[in-house]
Amino acid sequence: NAGVMQNPRHLVRRRGQEARLRCSPMKGHSHVYWYRQLPEEGLKFMVYLQKENIIDESGMPKERFSAEFPKEGPSILRIQQVVRGDSAAYFCASSKTRLRRGGDTEAFFGQGTRLTVV
Amino acid sequence: DAKTTQPPSMDCAEGRAANLPCNHSTISGNEYVYWYRQIHSQGPQYIIHGLKNNETNEMASLIITEDRKSSTLILPHATLRDTAVYYCIVRVAIKAAGNKLTFGGGTRVLVKP
Repeated sequence: NAGVMQNPRHLVRRRGQEARLRCSPMKGHSHVYWYRQLPEEGLKFMVYLQKENIIDESGMPKERFSAEFPKEGPSILRIQQVVRGDSAAYFCASSKTRLRRGGDTEAFFGQGTRLTVV
Repeated sequence: DAKTTQPPSMDCAEGRAANLPCNHSTISGNEYVYWYRQIHSQGPQYIIHGLKNNETNEMASLIITEDRKSSTLILPHATLRDTAVYYCIVRVAIKAAGNKLTFGGGTRVLVKP
């Protein structure tokens, strides 16, 4: 069972370009979460999606950032008109649909996409 | 989700047990304690979680105090590859929240030969 797959692993964009980050969840997982880690800082939650629905986007910047998780295909985090401050590692995590009976379920993370804006 | 407090850093000798403390004095009855670690900018790795009973798996043991206000992650035989930032996270297990995690500063563990 493959883990959470993110691509590309490294992405370089010039200021003003668009960045598209992809995340394929683990098999059987229909919940996806995106996190951002700025250099030398901790991980910050951005958005939580289920298939075709955004559940919680409380951590998403109000402008230029969007996320989707279509019925078919990977989840996409899209950053329009990138600026140098967007340079960071972006991590995707996935978890199962149901909470385990009598317990909870864990999230599994991908290896991240490192975005560099030049 | 309840806030957690962890020491910013600690050293551990290779082969010895590493005991990582976490305080979560405002934890509520339906909140779980989770531990993740991040090895040098890799994706965070799930370690273990528990509600009120002590838990053990192939990676670690989790000891939760009876009042649930603190917990300790135990790595029984630390290796150099256990050098990482360890995060203690408390989160409520409700379907609406999914598995959203709030990361604090964590404890930077350095395992020394």
